Amino acid sequence: KQEVTQIPAALSVPEGENLVLNCSFTDSAIYNLQWFRQDPGKGLTSLLLIQSSQREQTSGRLNASLDKSSGRSTLYIAASQPGDSATYLCAVRGETSGSRLTFGEGTQLTVNP
Amino acid sequence: GAGVSQSPRYKVAKRGQDVALRCDPISGHVSLFWYQQALGQGPEFLTYFQNEAQLDKSGLPSDRFFAERPEGSVSTLKIQRTQQEDSAVYLCASSLVLGGPMATNEKLFFGSGTQLSVL
Repeated sequence: KQEVTQIPAALSVPEGENLVLNCSFTDSAIYNLQWFRQDPGKGLTSLLLIQSSQREQTSGRLNASLDKSSGRSTLYIAASQPGDSATYLCAVRGETSGSRLTFGEGTQLTVNP
Repeated sequence: GAGVSQSPRYKVAKRGQDVALRCDPISGHVSLFWYQQALGQGPEFLTYFQNEAQLDKSGLPSDRFFAERPEGSVSTLKIQRTQQEDSAVYLCASSLVLGGPMATNEKLFFGSGTQLSVL
């Protein structure tokens, strides 16, 4: 059974700092990995999707990398801003899990002005 | 509408009551998913539809949970005889298509969820 772990569970940083969020998964047979953002009381917003054949994806100040063989992904946020404060979730779609995504428990990020 | 719409936004039910949660996906989206998110946890898969066909219901926790999408657009998640452990946020998501390993348009779009509290 696929398990997804995110470290740290919570992170508090001053504005302007660069930061890295970590995601690991136990079964490397995946189709893709997605990073989502969730604001309190809201649904999830897809930030980046990395196919299994790709190494990284970038969008603005966000960069996500994927090392499929070691079961790891990182989300790098450059020059963090208070508006980046949210919970960040990673999710994988496994080759043997059909249509479902398996999510981690998330990292709660607070960026202090 | 522009996004996935869910209603009601909040639902309080007495234990044993039946509830129905509605999801309006983005127009034209073929795939529709339901997820359950407990407080402080990541979402857990419940069920998946491709058009009107329910292709995967392996995540439904018991036979008290039932989902349908009769015309391939709006979906309803019904929970019968609600229990306290059913309290959670129920999220609906849609995507344009569910493809194979190289699908590039597989991003999921989530609604804001229905927060269910069973007293």
